[in-house]
Amino acid sequence: EAGVAQSPRYKIIEKRQSVAFWCNPISGHATLYWYQQILGQGPKLLIQFQNNGVVDDSQLPKDRFSAERLKGVDSTLKIQPAKLEDSAVYLCASSWQGYEQYFGPGTRLTVT
Amino acid sequence: AQTVTQSQPEMSVQEAETVTLSCTYDTSESNYYLFWYKQPPSRQMILVIRQEAYKQQNATENRFSVNFQKAAKSFSLKISDSQLGDTAMYFCAFMKPGSGGSNYKLTFGKGTLLTVNP
Repeated sequence: EAGVAQSPRYKIIEKRQSVAFWCNPISGHATLYWYQQILGQGPKLLIQFQNNGVVDDSQLPKDRFSAERLKGVDSTLKIQPAKLEDSAVYLCASSWQGYEQYFGPGTRLTVT
Repeated sequence: AQTVTQSQPEMSVQEAETVTLSCTYDTSESNYYLFWYKQPPSRQMILVIRQEAYKQQNATENRFSVNFQKAAKSFSLKISDSQLGDTAMYFCAFMKPGSGGSNYKLTFGKGTLLTVNP
């Protein structure tokens, strides 16, 4: 079974630029999560989708971050405009029964 | 809100020895799940072990076992016969099932960096 795929693996941008990350969950997994992991900290949930609907986006900075999950499969997370403090690893995870989440390899974003 | 505390930022152990990583959490819930995740330098977060709060028996997965003390809100991870491949960041995480089973949100601690020395 293929795992959660993410791209790109690394991205370097200047502040005020925009960036997008892509995630393809495990086939059949209805729930998809985006986490932000700042260096030295544990991951923090940004947004959770159930199929193509948003379940929880309470910690998503909506003035600059947006996410969508069209057709309930792939998902895209966008930052526009980026700030220095957005430098982090962005992890995507998916689950079928909810309590067991499978993580992708993450995208390391550096904002200069 | 739930909080998860890992008081050991770094630990080291000799190969083949046993090490215990600590985790405490704060919640008013009675039904929840606890997890230990491993994150090696490759960044892939891997589930190590899971414990359901309603189960009194401590979970075990091969060389990994937990000591779950519900009243004390403590959830430590014991790694036996440590191997070089166990070198990684270990995160303790809490999950409270949401209504209808559709809102399983993980709250992570800050992690413990474990180094296994040859």
